[in-house]
Amino acid sequence: AQSVTQLGSHVSVSEGALVLLRCNYSSSVPPYLFWYVQYPNQGLQLLLKYTTGATLVKGINGFEAEFKKSETSFHLTKPSAHMSDAAEYFCAVSKPQGSGGYNKLIFGAGTRLAVHP
Amino acid sequence: GAGVSQSPSNKVTEKGKDVELRCDPISGHTALYWYRQSLGQGLEFLIYFQGNSAPDKSGLPSDRFSAERTGGSVSTLTIQRTQQEDSAVYLCASSLGVHRGRNEQFFGPGTRLTVL
Repeated sequence: AQSVTQLGSHVSVSEGALVLLRCNYSSSVPPYLFWYVQYPNQGLQLLLKYTTGATLVKGINGFEAEFKKSETSFHLTKPSAHMSDAAEYFCAVSKPQGSGGYNKLIFGAGTRLAVHP
Repeated sequence: GAGVSQSPSNKVTEKGKDVELRCDPISGHTALYWYRQSLGQGLEFLIYFQGNSAPDKSGLPSDRFSAERTGGSVSTLTIQRTQQEDSAVYLCASSLGVHRGRNEQFFGPGTRLTVL
């Protein structure tokens, strides 16, 4: 069975500091990997995704993530945090469902990012 | 509209009542998904539609939960005889399809359900 582990339910950084949100997954087959962001009282917005190809993927708002198969990790980073980055971040995996392609997402528990001046 | 819409945005109901939650996917998206977000369980997959059929209902927590999709577009999630543990935010998402390059899921703002 697939699972996703996000280390740290709360992360706090200073404005301008590096953001590092950790995600590890378990899957019997190479999955697709995603990071979503959720602002208060809003739905989920896709930040970036890894499907195949280049293992370093760049997303919106200056975020990037690197797929490391040997470590089964897909950590999210941003060089310099902004106050507007304060939100909850979810890592998710999706794996092939027989002939049905990739469909349902399995989410981690989420990491709430706080950015202080 | 350009995005996924859901209605109502908030629903308060009494224990034992039935509720219907609606999702309007992005036009042209053939795949539609329902998820539930609750404090205790996080984000959970409920059901997925491809067109009007539901190949994967594995996440529905009990037979009080059902969903349908008509015309390959609007979907309704119905919860019968609501219980307090059903209180959660119900999120709907849609995608062009399920295969590579078409399976990015776009989420609606959710319906917050409160069962008193």
